[in-house]
Amino acid sequence: AQKVTQAQTEISVVEKEDVTLDCVYETRDTTYYLFWYKQPPSGELVFLIRRNSFDEQNEISGRYSWNFQKSTSSFNFTITASQVVDSAVYFCALSEAGRLTGGGNKLTFGTGTQLKVEL
Amino acid sequence: KAGVTQTPRYLIKTRGQQVTLSCSPISGHRSVSWYQQTPGQGLQFLFEYFSETQRNKGNFPGRFSGRQFSNSRSEMNVSTLELGDSALYLCASSLDRGIFPINYGYTFGSGTRLTVV
Repeated sequence: AQKVTQAQTEISVVEKEDVTLDCVYETRDTTYYLFWYKQPPSGELVFLIRRNSFDEQNEISGRYSWNFQKSTSSFNFTITASQVVDSAVYFCALSEAGRLTGGGNKLTFGTGTQLKVEL
Repeated sequence: KAGVTQTPRYLIKTRGQQVTLSCSPISGHRSVSWYQQTPGQGLQFLFEYFSETQRNKGNFPGRFSGRQFSNSRSEMNVSTLELGDSALYLCASSLDRGIFPINYGYTFGSGTRLTVV
């Protein structure tokens, strides 16, 4: 069965600090997709990144970067020079491609990490 | 380009009643999935519809059901509401051209916050 673990329940940092959110996943499928979403207090899940299992290249988008390591089943997210607007709950999620599940779109989410960035 | 629209945004119902939530996906998206978010259980997958057919289902009782129309709009229904059904219900749409195993990602709506009293 697929599983996503976000061990950090809550992280507090001071503005301009760098912060890394950890994500560890489990799957028996060889083809899968990993995602990060941001959920501000309004409730909507905002898409940040999608990564497939065949692409282990790290990605940088502005102050955001992602480190995907299949060897350790991890997909960590780093925010550089954090800002107050980064305060939100961040979710890591996994979607198997379907060979084992019979197809279809289904996301398995981690429990989320509450990030608080203070002045 | 319009995003995923969920209606209503807020809903208050009494135990035992039933409720219908609506989701309009992004134009051209044929896959619609539903998730329940509660403080205790987190985000949990309810079901997914693709071209009017339920393609995937989570571990929820039969009181939770859904359907998808020919225009890809989807509704979910919860009958005989219980206090524990109070949650944020999120809908997500996905492009899904049916080309295995490509996953185009998911766009979520703002959710419907259901309170059962």
